[in-house]
Amino acid sequence: AAGVIQSPRHLIKEKRETATLKCYPIPRHDTVYWYQQGPGQDPQFLISFYEKMQSDKGSIPDRFSAQQFSDYHSELNMSSLELGDSALYFCASSFLAGALTEAFFGQGTRLTVV
Amino acid sequence: QKEVEQNSGPLSVPEGAIASLNCTYSDRGSQSFFWYRQYSGKSPELIMSIYSNGDKEDGRFTAQLNKASQYVSLLIRDSQPSDSATYLCAEKLTFGTGTRLTIIP
Repeated sequence: AAGVIQSPRHLIKEKRETATLKCYPIPRHDTVYWYQQGPGQDPQFLISFYEKMQSDKGSIPDRFSAQQFSDYHSELNMSSLELGDSALYFCASSFLAGALTEAFFGQGTRLTVV
Repeated sequence: QKEVEQNSGPLSVPEGAIASLNCTYSDRGSQSFFWYRQYSGKSPELIMSIYSNGDKEDGRFTAQLNKASQYVSLLIRDSQPSDSATYLCAEKLTFGTGTRLTIIP
């Protein structure tokens, strides 16, 4: 079965640079969630989109922005990167219109800021 | 106070025994609860979802929800070394801090 696809899997950036993470949800899923997980930490919810509109917002820094496109894929844009942004970034998707709120996660993007 | 709290770990259980993981939540209106398993460096994997009071069984896993007491638990019967992982309780979009479980052969 198709799963959530994230790219790239690994990314190394320097401080103050910009990074773009991509997420392709499971086909027919209408909702995308972004999480940040630091070393030894639980996943922290950043932002979610339902039907291409922002549906919920968590602890996303102002330096970050995200959107969901017409084909339901989503991109997380991160600017002015800081060392503390180094983390695993997970995308998850679900099918809310079908009242199925289970979220399935992608393999994650490991971002290292140096 | 975090909205979703999990019993502090790490938790060590002998192989073949029952592992019990607990989670409490603060929002009385919460409806959807999930248990995820996460191996180190990997993404969380959904193993159980529960929406109504009572028990829900799936193989060796049993999720229990008590809305009056605002807790959710996960029981793992006949624990196997491959069950060693961090288990995350989630209420909709919010995760608990996770409990690291180690099954001792």
